[in-house]
Amino acid sequence: GAVVSQHPSRVICKSGTSVKIECRSLDFQATTMFWYRQFPKQSLMLMATSNEGSKATYEQGVEKDKFLINHASLTLSTLTVTSAHPEDSSFYICSALTGRSYEQYFGPGTRLTVT
Amino acid sequence: AQKVTQAQTEISVVEKEDVTLDCVYETRDTTYYLFWYKQPPSGELVFLIRRNSFDEQNEISGRYSWNFQKSTSSFNFTITASQVVDSAVYFCALSVLTQGGSEKLVFGKGTKLTVNP
Repeated sequence: GAVVSQHPSRVICKSGTSVKIECRSLDFQATTMFWYRQFPKQSLMLMATSNEGSKATYEQGVEKDKFLINHASLTLSTLTVTSAHPEDSSFYICSALTGRSYEQYFGPGTRLTVT
Repeated sequence: AQKVTQAQTEISVVEKEDVTLDCVYETRDTTYYLFWYKQPPSGELVFLIRRNSFDEQNEISGRYSWNFQKSTSSFNFTITASQVVDSAVYFCALSVLTQGGSEKLVFGKGTKLTVNP
């Protein structure tokens, strides 16, 4: 149990366009979802915490107008990278909390390349 | 500051060797959780263990074992008789309580383990 999916797994887009990444909890309801970014050979950096039905809480230094997060239901959170630039190219990973434990279940990640 | 330090950036061993991955943490919380995750080349994070700050018992799971020493703020991970499939990046993480009351994870920089045949 506790499977989290992400879609797409890979995306290539042109500079200036927007990209939406979906994170779904497949067999549980996620009260909280997290979005991380991982640059090559680096650690995971938390971007924002997303609670269902409320605004996301962004970490310091993360532009909320550039990285739009919507947690519209207990099984879906979306991250939209607006007006993407090459420096936004990264591996984006989401995770979800069930609300019954402290364990975060991670999605498989989405590799974004902005050309 | 709340942070996790994994001093070893890369480790290379030969199959069947034992290897220990170090993790040192800093936190101001009295109750916290420590985690280890494995990230194979595919990129997906694999949960390995979660340890409560009040539970200092060492844990063993097959070839994996963890040594939690609160006195030195360390949570080291040992793989016994390493195998090629153990090759991955391993992350140590610390749970941090946010102002909003939820918990978030602070990750170390990771240790890349390469097990050679």
